[in-house]
Amino acid sequence: DSGVTQTPKHLITATGQRVTLRCSPRSGDLSVYWYQQSLDQGLQFLIQYYNGEERAKGNILERFSAQQFPDLHSELNLSSLELGDSALYFCASSVGNPTDTQYFGPGTRLTVL
Amino acid sequence: DAKTTQPNSMESNEEEPVHLPCNHSTISGTDYIHWYRQLPSQGPEYVIHGLTSNVNNRMASLAIAEDRKSSTLILHRATLRDAAVYYCIPTNSGGSNYKLTFGKGTLLTVNP
Repeated sequence: DSGVTQTPKHLITATGQRVTLRCSPRSGDLSVYWYQQSLDQGLQFLIQYYNGEERAKGNILERFSAQQFPDLHSELNLSSLELGDSALYFCASSVGNPTDTQYFGPGTRLTVL
Repeated sequence: DAKTTQPNSMESNEEEPVHLPCNHSTISGTDYIHWYRQLPSQGPEYVIHGLTSNVNNRMASLAIAEDRKSSTLILHRATLRDAAVYYCIPTNSGGSNYKLTFGKGTLLTVNP
């Protein structure tokens, strides 16, 4: 158990819909990262927040957005969903320094029908 | 980001040592070398990291070449639980880029 929790574990929805994935970091960690893992693209970095502020952005689509709240939990919002958005979405947390170990949650499996 | 090259797959027998190689010839002087692994149906987990010297922890050892252009993750006695995809990831300690860039990794199969 990494100490990072993600909800829900599974999500099935239809194209065009909007969903919210939630992540609670390990106690004491200030940074939250979101990654997407699909069969064709592998594990890809989406976005990072540090203590409530966006710190780094990766290949995140404009239809996707995220935020980190004062209690440090984070949400990833995916809208206008397409079939290709079906993937595993992982959240990770770390203290916040560049080379800190990132601790990953169990992931949310999103299926878009 | 520094590019890495790892074998697509490797096979080992239980209780035997495993050496997982990684080439990272474009690594910069301030890049650490991190290794993560992903067990089936789980999120990635940290294994070990180092900068210049060889490193040991309870999970594995990391041998870093003197020119830092390659490294080897060593599992001293493979168990069935070590079957996973292993990722070698250079991480920049000097910049503001905190992301982990995962390549395809090496799929390790452990035979009983």
